[in-house]
Amino acid sequence: EAGVAQSPRYKIIEKRQSVAFWCNPISGHATLYWYQQILGQGPKLLIQFQNNGVVDDSQLPKDRFSAERLKGVDSTLKIQPAKLEDSAVYLCASSLGGWGYTFGSGTRLTVV
Amino acid sequence: GQQLNQSPQSMFIQEGEDVSMNCTSSSIFNTWLWYKQDPGEGPVLLIALYKAGELTSNGRLTAQFGITRKDSFLNISASIPSDVGIYFCAGQPSYNQGGKLIFGQGTELSVKP
Repeated sequence: EAGVAQSPRYKIIEKRQSVAFWCNPISGHATLYWYQQILGQGPKLLIQFQNNGVVDDSQLPKDRFSAERLKGVDSTLKIQPAKLEDSAVYLCASSLGGWGYTFGSGTRLTVV
Repeated sequence: GQQLNQSPQSMFIQEGEDVSMNCTSSSIFNTWLWYKQDPGEGPVLLIALYKAGELTSNGRLTAQFGITRKDSFLNISASIPSDVGIYFCAGQPSYNQGGKLIFGQGTELSVKP
């Protein structure tokens, strides 16, 4: 089966600019996650969707980050405006349920 | 929030040696998982542990869910060059049933042929 697709793979922006990331989960996977992985650290959950509803967004900096999952399939994560500390890899993962997460390859964001 | 302390941070070993790494927490976790991440890729699940005391193997990998539910270890036997990468422990917090995982800081493994 096809894996979790993410784009772009890399993005360099200046601080205060906006950026958006896209994720296409594995077909049929109802649960979708966005994780932030800062260099040298483990991934940290930003937001979890069940179909098109938000299950957990307690660690999403809502003043600048937003995410949506229209029609319960693809998802976009947006940062507006970006700060230097947002430089990280943004990982999307999906699952049918349980712990069978499949991660995408991530988008590496550099904010300069 | 809950944190996982993973050690060691890095390891440099000779091919053929055994490797051991562990993860501890001050809080109880319901599930422990071990992932491997290669450069430029997302983490890949290696082993999942679902109950205290459980010992599970996957080829040369063996992992255990601690009796106290606050720790786990991963052993790799007879390491080979393709074992190089960053290994993460991850746990499901006891208060959360929704799939959220807490990750450790990672153990970077280097294997010298």
